[in-house]
Amino acid sequence: GESVGLHLPTLSVQEGDNSIINCAYSNSASDYFIWYKQESGKGPQFIIDIRSNMDKRQGQRVTVLLNKTVKHLSLQIAATQPGDSAVYFCAENINYGQNFVFGPGTRLSVLP
Amino acid sequence: DVKVTQSSRYLVKRTGEKVFLECVQDMDHENMFWYRQDPGLGLRLIYFSYDVKMKEKGDIPEGYSVSREKKERFSLILESASTNQTSMYLCASSLTGVTNYGYTFGSGTRLTVV
Repeated sequence: GESVGLHLPTLSVQEGDNSIINCAYSNSASDYFIWYKQESGKGPQFIIDIRSNMDKRQGQRVTVLLNKTVKHLSLQIAATQPGDSAVYFCAENINYGQNFVFGPGTRLSVLP
Repeated sequence: DVKVTQSSRYLVKRTGEKVFLECVQDMDHENMFWYRQDPGLGLRLIYFSYDVKMKEKGDIPEGYSVSREKKERFSLILESASTNQTSMYLCASSLTGVTNYGYTFGSGTRLTVV
């Protein structure tokens, strides 16, 4: 496995503002991506996914953007709420294989 | 509500003990995975299984083994626990195919080896 560094990036936003969490993925052949949310003391939970034939997908208050040219994925959360405070992971997959590769995660802190 | 259930939320074991971490899923998923999660290192794959009695090494299998005797159950075994195996352990399962993709994770087992 890859060593992804010792520091977890942190993003602090005011309640009600929009949040943008970024992820640089590693393999240009990856064709499926997922964002996970992990709250303290819990396992990661699926938020939203996107396939490589799309560049944008929207869910409820969340939008994922995919830029294959620069191998970049972002998660946008609209009107961030205290319940959005968590660690967010991106995961990439190649050719519908069973294994995903996870990014290091970003900690989102929502300020009152 | 579909679930991946890990038998223990917290465990404290002594160095040298043999430790069993159990994971059960009720979704009839073919694939099951064991990860460990450490601060700043993200999720690292220990072992995975695509079918009953089948296992494959992940990125960090040393010091671990697994057992999958039934489709719904995937056990992680620490043969002789060491302090560097203190970590959060996450089990996950997934369905093979184009739809309904991605992992369903358990809540994790926080293991402390003293």
